Amino acid sequence: GDSVTQMEGPVTLSEEAFLTINCTYTATGYPSLFWYVQYPGEGLQLLLKATKADDKGSNKGFEATYRKETTSFHLEKGSVQVSDSAVYFCALSDLTGNQFYFGTGTSLTVIP
Amino acid sequence: DAGITQSPRHKVTETGTPVTLRCHQTENHRYMYWYRQDPGHGLRLIHYSYGVKDTDKGEVSDGYSVSRSKTEDFLLTLESATSSQTSVYFCAISIGGVTDTQYFGPGTRLTVL
Repeated sequence: GDSVTQMEGPVTLSEEAFLTINCTYTATGYPSLFWYVQYPGEGLQLLLKATKADDKGSNKGFEATYRKETTSFHLEKGSVQVSDSAVYFCALSDLTGNQFYFGTGTSLTVIP
Repeated sequence: DAGITQSPRHKVTETGTPVTLRCHQTENHRYMYWYRQDPGHGLRLIHYSYGVKDTDKGEVSDGYSVSRSKTEDFLLTLESATSSQTSVYFCAISIGGVTDTQYFGPGTRLTVL
Protein backbone atom coordinates (compact mmCIF):
# COMPACT_ATOMS: atom_id res chain seq x y z
CA GLY A 1 0.00 0.00 0.00
CA ASP A 2 0.86 3.65 -0.06
CA SER A 3 3.23 5.03 2.55
CA VAL A 4 5.50 7.91 3.43
CA THR A 5 8.94 7.56 5.05
CA GLN A 6 10.73 10.57 6.45
CA MET A 7 14.06 10.91 8.18
CA GLU A 8 14.06 10.35 11.87
CA GLY A 9 14.88 13.13 14.21
CA PRO A 10 15.44 14.97 16.24
CA VAL A 11 17.43 17.38 14.12
CA THR A 12 19.33 20.20 15.81
CA LEU A 13 20.81 23.02 13.76
CA SER A 14 22.42 26.35 14.45
CA GLU A 15 20.67 29.48 13.24
CA GLU A 16 21.38 30.25 9.55
CA ALA A 17 22.33 26.63 8.79
CA PHE A 18 20.99 24.79 5.75
CA LEU A 19 18.12 22.39 6.37
CA THR A 20 17.22 19.20 4.56
CA ILE A 21 14.56 16.80 5.79
CA ASN A 22 14.27 13.73 3.62
CA CYS A 23 10.95 12.25 2.56
CA THR A 24 10.35 9.32 0.23
CA TYR A 25 7.07 7.79 -0.73
CA THR A 26 5.47 4.66 -2.10
CA ALA A 27 2.30 5.05 -4.10
CA THR A 28 0.41 3.01 -6.66
CA GLY A 29 -1.06 6.01 -8.42
CA TYR A 30 -0.08 9.63 -8.95
CA PRO A 31 -0.10 11.23 -5.53
CA SER A 32 -0.07 14.80 -4.40
CA LEU A 33 2.65 15.52 -1.84
CA PHE A 34 2.57 17.83 1.16
CA TRP A 35 4.68 19.19 3.96
CA TYR A 36 2.95 20.21 7.15
CA VAL A 37 4.47 21.98 10.16
CA GLN A 38 3.37 21.66 13.77
CA TYR A 39 4.49 24.26 16.30
CA PRO A 40 4.41 23.32 19.99
CA GLY A 41 0.88 22.99 21.35
CA GLU A 42 -0.76 23.61 17.98
CA GLY A 43 -2.36 21.66 15.16
CA LEU A 44 -0.71 20.92 11.85
CA GLN A 45 -0.48 23.71 9.30
CA LEU A 46 0.06 23.24 5.60
CA LEU A 47 3.54 24.46 4.68
CA LEU A 48 3.66 23.62 0.97
CA LYS A 49 2.43 21.11 -1.55
CA ALA A 50 3.03 19.78 -5.07
CA THR A 51 0.49 17.98 -7.19
CA LYS A 52 2.53 16.53 -10.06
CA ALA A 53 6.03 15.41 -10.96
CA ASP A 54 8.68 18.17 -11.16
CA ASP A 55 6.44 20.67 -9.39
CA LYS A 56 8.17 22.74 -6.72
CA GLY A 57 6.23 23.83 -3.68
CA SER A 58 7.52 26.80 -1.72
CA ASN A 59 6.50 28.90 1.27
CA LYS A 60 8.26 30.97 3.95
CA GLY A 61 11.69 30.15 2.47
CA PHE A 62 11.02 26.39 2.46
CA GLU A 63 11.06 24.43 -0.80
CA ALA A 64 10.40 20.87 -1.91
CA THR A 65 10.46 19.37 -5.41
CA TYR A 66 8.29 16.41 -6.43
CA ARG A 67 10.76 13.89 -7.88
CA LYS A 68 8.98 10.95 -9.47
CA GLU A 69 12.20 9.22 -10.57
CA THR A 70 13.47 9.01 -7.00
CA THR A 71 9.99 9.01 -5.35
CA SER A 72 11.11 11.82 -3.09
CA PHE A 73 9.88 15.16 -1.76
CA HIS A 74 12.72 16.48 0.39
CA LEU A 75 12.16 19.68 2.37
CA GLU A 76 14.90 22.32 2.21
CA LYS A 77 15.57 25.77 3.59
CA GLY A 78 18.69 27.76 2.97
CA SER A 79 18.94 29.53 6.33
CA VAL A 80 16.90 28.39 9.30
CA GLN A 81 15.76 30.60 12.14
CA VAL A 82 14.95 29.85 15.76
CA SER A 83 11.28 30.36 14.89
CA ASP A 84 11.46 27.36 12.51
CA SER A 85 11.75 25.00 15.48
CA ALA A 86 8.80 22.65 15.06
CA VAL A 87 7.82 19.16 13.95
CA TYR A 88 7.60 18.65 10.18
CA PHE A 89 5.37 16.04 8.57
CA CYS A 90 5.54 14.75 5.04
CA ALA A 91 2.24 13.50 3.62
CA LEU A 92 0.71 12.18 0.44
CA SER A 93 -2.75 11.85 -0.95
CA ASP A 94 -3.57 9.25 -3.55
CA LEU A 95 -6.62 9.51 -5.76
CA THR A 96 -6.35 5.83 -6.64
CA GLY A 97 -6.64 4.70 -3.04
CA ASN A 98 -8.71 7.69 -1.94
CA GLN A 99 -6.51 8.08 1.11
CA PHE A 100 -4.28 10.57 2.87
CA TYR A 101 -1.06 9.31 4.52
CA PHE A 102 1.27 11.04 6.97
CA GLY A 103 4.87 10.34 7.87
CA THR A 104 5.89 10.01 11.50
CA GLY A 105 7.26 13.55 11.75
CA THR A 106 10.74 15.05 12.16
CA SER A 107 11.45 17.32 15.09
CA LEU A 108 13.66 20.32 14.31
CA THR A 109 15.31 22.50 16.93
CA VAL A 110 17.22 25.60 15.85
CA ILE A 111 19.62 27.05 18.40
CA PRO A 112 20.84 30.67 18.36
CA ASP B 1 -7.85 29.96 8.91
CA ALA B 2 -10.33 27.14 8.31
CA GLY B 3 -12.42 28.09 11.34
CA ILE B 4 -12.01 24.79 13.20
CA THR B 5 -12.42 24.58 16.95
CA GLN B 6 -12.15 21.57 19.21
CA SER B 7 -13.55 21.09 22.68
CA PRO B 8 -12.44 20.40 25.25
CA ARG B 9 -8.80 21.28 24.67
CA HIS B 10 -7.66 19.17 27.61
CA LYS B 11 -9.37 16.35 29.45
CA VAL B 12 -8.38 13.88 32.13
CA THR B 13 -10.68 10.94 32.70
CA GLU B 14 -10.70 7.50 34.24
CA THR B 15 -10.65 4.10 32.57
CA GLY B 16 -14.11 2.88 31.69
CA THR B 17 -15.81 6.26 31.45
CA PRO B 18 -17.37 7.53 28.22
CA VAL B 19 -15.80 10.57 26.58
CA THR B 20 -17.02 12.74 23.74
CA LEU B 21 -14.83 15.16 21.84
CA ARG B 22 -16.34 17.82 19.64
CA CYS B 23 -15.10 19.35 16.43
CA HIS B 24 -16.84 22.43 15.09
CA GLN B 25 -16.24 24.20 11.78
CA THR B 26 -17.66 27.49 10.60
CA GLU B 27 -17.35 27.02 6.83
CA ASN B 28 -19.77 24.11 6.24
CA HIS B 29 -17.20 21.97 4.48
CA ARG B 30 -18.34 18.49 3.59
CA TYR B 31 -15.32 16.39 4.62
CA MET B 32 -14.21 16.04 8.22
CA TYR B 33 -11.70 13.74 9.92
CA TRP B 34 -10.56 12.57 13.33
CA TYR B 35 -6.91 11.64 13.88
CA ARG B 36 -4.88 10.64 16.86
CA GLN B 37 -1.24 11.61 17.25
CA ASP B 38 1.16 9.45 19.22
CA PRO B 39 4.97 9.53 19.44
CA GLY B 40 6.55 7.34 16.77
CA HIS B 41 3.27 6.91 14.88
CA GLY B 42 2.63 10.28 13.36
CA LEU B 43 -1.04 10.85 12.67
CA ARG B 44 -3.42 7.94 12.31
CA LEU B 45 -6.93 8.28 10.93
CA ILE B 46 -9.71 7.14 13.26
CA HIS B 47 -12.88 8.00 11.34
CA TYR B 48 -13.94 10.39 8.67
CA SER B 49 -17.15 11.86 7.32
CA TYR B 50 -18.19 12.93 3.84
CA GLY B 51 -21.47 14.48 4.83
CA VAL B 52 -24.25 14.54 7.37
CA LYS B 53 -24.82 10.99 8.64
CA ASP B 54 -22.17 9.67 6.22
CA THR B 55 -19.14 8.33 8.04
CA ASP B 56 -16.51 5.65 7.51
CA LYS B 57 -13.78 3.93 9.46
CA GLY B 58 -10.12 4.77 9.29
CA GLU B 59 -6.98 2.90 10.21
CA VAL B 60 -7.53 2.78 14.00
CA SER B 61 -11.29 2.87 14.54
CA ASP B 62 -11.63 0.15 17.20
CA GLY B 63 -12.99 1.59 20.45
CA TYR B 64 -14.22 4.80 18.78
CA SER B 65 -17.51 5.90 17.27
CA VAL B 66 -18.49 9.12 15.51
CA SER B 67 -21.60 11.04 14.68
CA ARG B 68 -22.37 13.90 12.34
CA SER B 69 -25.92 15.17 12.64
CA LYS B 70 -25.06 18.67 11.40
CA THR B 71 -22.57 19.75 8.76
CA GLU B 72 -20.63 21.89 11.19
CA ASP B 73 -20.16 19.36 14.00
CA PHE B 74 -18.29 16.05 14.05
CA LEU B 75 -18.28 14.19 17.37
CA LEU B 76 -15.83 11.50 18.44
CA THR B 77 -16.92 9.18 21.26
CA LEU B 78 -14.88 6.78 23.29
CA GLU B 79 -17.59 4.51 24.69
CA SER B 80 -15.39 3.16 27.47
CA ALA B 81 -12.03 4.90 27.62
CA THR B 82 -8.85 2.87 28.06
CA SER B 83 -5.31 3.98 28.89
CA SER B 84 -4.23 3.11 25.33
CA GLN B 85 -6.51 5.92 24.13
CA THR B 86 -4.40 8.52 25.91
CA SER B 87 -3.35 10.69 23.00
CA VAL B 88 -3.70 14.02 21.27
CA TYR B 89 -6.75 14.08 19.02
CA PHE B 90 -6.96 16.30 15.97
CA CYS B 91 -9.92 17.16 13.84
CA ALA B 92 -9.40 18.18 10.23
CA ILE B 93 -11.46 19.28 7.26
CA SER B 94 -10.89 19.23 3.55
CA ILE B 95 -12.72 21.07 0.83
CA GLY B 96 -12.38 19.07 -2.37
CA GLY B 97 -12.50 15.51 -1.10
CA VAL B 98 -10.57 12.93 0.88
CA THR B 99 -7.38 13.54 -1.09
CA ASP B 100 -7.55 17.33 -1.00
CA THR B 101 -5.45 19.48 1.34
CA GLN B 102 -6.47 18.97 4.95
CA TYR B 103 -6.72 21.76 7.50
CA PHE B 104 -6.41 20.99 11.17
CA GLY B 105 -7.91 22.11 14.43
CA PRO B 106 -5.82 22.92 17.52
CA GLY B 107 -6.16 19.45 19.09
CA THR B 108 -7.48 17.90 22.28
CA ARG B 109 -5.10 16.32 24.76
CA LEU B 110 -6.83 13.38 26.41
CA THR B 111 -5.38 11.50 29.36
CA VAL B 112 -7.03 8.28 30.53
CA LEU B 113 -5.91 7.22 34.00
